[in-house]
Amino acid sequence: GAVVSQHPSRVICKSGTSVKIECRSLDFQATTMFWYRQFPKQSLMLMATSNEGSKATYEQGVEKDKFLINHASLTLSTLTVTSAHPEDSSFYICGVLAGGTDTQYFGPGTRLTVL
Amino acid sequence: DAKTTQPTSMDCAEGRAANLPCNHSTISGNEYVYWYRQIHSQGPQYIIHGLKNNETNEMASLIITEDRKSSTLILPHATLRDTAVYYCIVRVNNAGNMLTFGGGTRLMVKP
Repeated sequence: GAVVSQHPSRVICKSGTSVKIECRSLDFQATTMFWYRQFPKQSLMLMATSNEGSKATYEQGVEKDKFLINHASLTLSTLTVTSAHPEDSSFYICGVLAGGTDTQYFGPGTRLTVL
Repeated sequence: DAKTTQPTSMDCAEGRAANLPCNHSTISGNEYVYWYRQIHSQGPQYIIHGLKNNETNEMASLIITEDRKSSTLILPHATLRDTAVYYCIVRVNNAGNMLTFGGGTRLMVKP
């Protein structure tokens, strides 16, 4: 399957700071990337869909000004959590739609802890 | 996308086959059945998918009933490393289509 990386794997930050998470598709081009978040003992929840060269589409209840998404190239999407607060602490996972297929592959996830 | 129903948890003995059921009684004709698994603190891993016919790959087999209202994921020889949450997802194959995750089945493989 396709290889997807995320960086960093874990981050601890102070309340009020911003954190950037990168998602890269390493062996294929991805026109569409998805950002999910997962709270403890819960399933993955889609936050937004990121399309290369256009604005991301956010799910209901997800603040676009707080979770900034930039899909600048066919291999890179970034999620910036702005002015992070403890309630933003979660496991953030990106999913990538492999070009030419309809199968989504996932990154290893980024665990964010906001103190 | 059609809703799926899976048991909350299952146990399996190491070395035995693990059979994970999924009900998707409202599946429509153009919806595929996808299976992913998530090992603790990792991103989901794609396992297999199918439309009508049974499928097999190096990880697992997928058996879809003739009426397509249910399916079974089979791990032929479960190992301790197969302990994970297994998600059955039904979706139409369109470019840009996202996945909707339910609760999944927590499979515990025991020695």
